[in-house]
Amino acid sequence: ETGVTQSPTHLIKTRGQQVTLRCSSQSGHNTVSWYQQALGQGPQFIFQYYREEENGRGNFPPRFSGLQFPNYSSELNVNALELDDSALYLCASSLYVNTEAFFGQGTRLTVV
Amino acid sequence: DQQVKQNSPSLSVQEGRISILNCDYTNSMFDYFLWYKKYPAEGPTFLISISSIKDKNEDGRFTVFLNKSAKHLSLHIVPSQPGDSAVYFCAASPSSGTYKYIFGTGTRLKVLA
Repeated sequence: ETGVTQSPTHLIKTRGQQVTLRCSSQSGHNTVSWYQQALGQGPQFIFQYYREEENGRGNFPPRFSGLQFPNYSSELNVNALELDDSALYLCASSLYVNTEAFFGQGTRLTVV
Repeated sequence: DQQVKQNSPSLSVQEGRISILNCDYTNSMFDYFLWYKKYPAEGPTFLISISSIKDKNEDGRFTVFLNKSAKHLSLHIVPSQPGDSAVYFCAASPSSGTYKYIFGTGTRLKVLA
């Protein structure tokens, strides 16, 4: 049984560019959530997908968008990157929406 | 508005002794709580959880206590081991709607050999 995997592990982008981060959920998990962790802070909820539908969103602007695919893998897209978007982006999958979430190792995004 | 607070940014404990990590929350709608451990360059690892119908949950060396009236929970690690050195995050979730987790800012635990 494979765990949650994210790609890439590190990424450097220029302000104004767009980025796509990817996540493969743990086998059998139909729910994926994305979090942003800034330096010295706890992870902050971006949004959750359940069976390919968005199932809730945190306090992030519309330029943060996502997708979940039929195999339950997921993408996080961020448009018009800003310097403050520099953070660790974490993907977490869970068996159902209300069970423990298991996190990937994260993607470290640096915006310059 | 920090709904989940971990007021101690760091804690040092001698190997073999008890580590107590604390967490306070403000939202009475939270009824499911979790602790995660995070090593550098890794994602958070689930440790233990507790629902609001309980006041204690144990798993090996880890015990979580919940005091609903005080809106306070704590994680006890006994005995502490050097491998427990990591950042510990407390997280809370409401019972309805999106099961998003609200995380605290973390406590860095250092277990001294």
